Amino acid sequence: AQTVTQSQPEMSVQEAETVTLSCTYDTSESDYYLFWYKQPPSRQMILVIRQEAYKQQNATENRFSVNFQKAAKSFSLKISDSQLGDAAMYFCAYLGLTSGGSYIPTFGRGTSLIVHP
Amino acid sequence: DTGVSQDPRHKITKRGQNVTFRCDPISEHNRLYWYRQTLGQGPEFLTYFQNEAQLEKSRLLSDRFSAERPKGSFSTLEIQRTEQGDSAMYLCASSPGTSGRETQYFGPGTRLLVL
Repeated sequence: AQTVTQSQPEMSVQEAETVTLSCTYDTSESDYYLFWYKQPPSRQMILVIRQEAYKQQNATENRFSVNFQKAAKSFSLKISDSQLGDAAMYFCAYLGLTSGGSYIPTFGRGTSLIVHP
Repeated sequence: DTGVSQDPRHKITKRGQNVTFRCDPISEHNRLYWYRQTLGQGPEFLTYFQNEAQLEKSRLLSDRFSAERPKGSFSTLEIQRTEQGDSAMYLCASSPGTSGRETQYFGPGTRLLVL
């Protein structure tokens, strides 16, 4: 089974600064997808960014960008110009084929991001 | 544009009782997924539907759990004879298309507490 590891249970950053959240995964597949989701306190999970494994170019969405290192199986999220509204749990997810032939995501345990004013 | 909705948002029940949760996906999304999330963990896959067909179930889904998606629209997740270990957030997500590679959109979840 695939595993996703987020080694930082908690990270903190000053408003307007940059922070990087790390994620590593384990797979023997070549066709897969990676995601970062944000889950604010008591609110629903929303997609931050998506990366297709076959694409070499790192995905970016405004202040959010990823560093995708396929050989190292690493997928880190960089948040630039951090804002108070970025405070949330961030989950890294791997989407790949299961033995049953379906694409099912595996999530990491999450990193809690604290933003200091 | 209405997102994924779930009802109820909170449920407190006594051990041994049955509970049922409902999920309404984004309109015209073919796939609907159920997850369980416990404190300090990411969501764990339970089962998913493509239209009305239940295509895969996790081994986490014991015999006490059953899910349906009649007519391929809303879905229900029932837990029979609840146990304290069932206390968790139950998340629903939906996605368009049929390949499974599409991005999933999550609902706000139903938080279950079993006393």
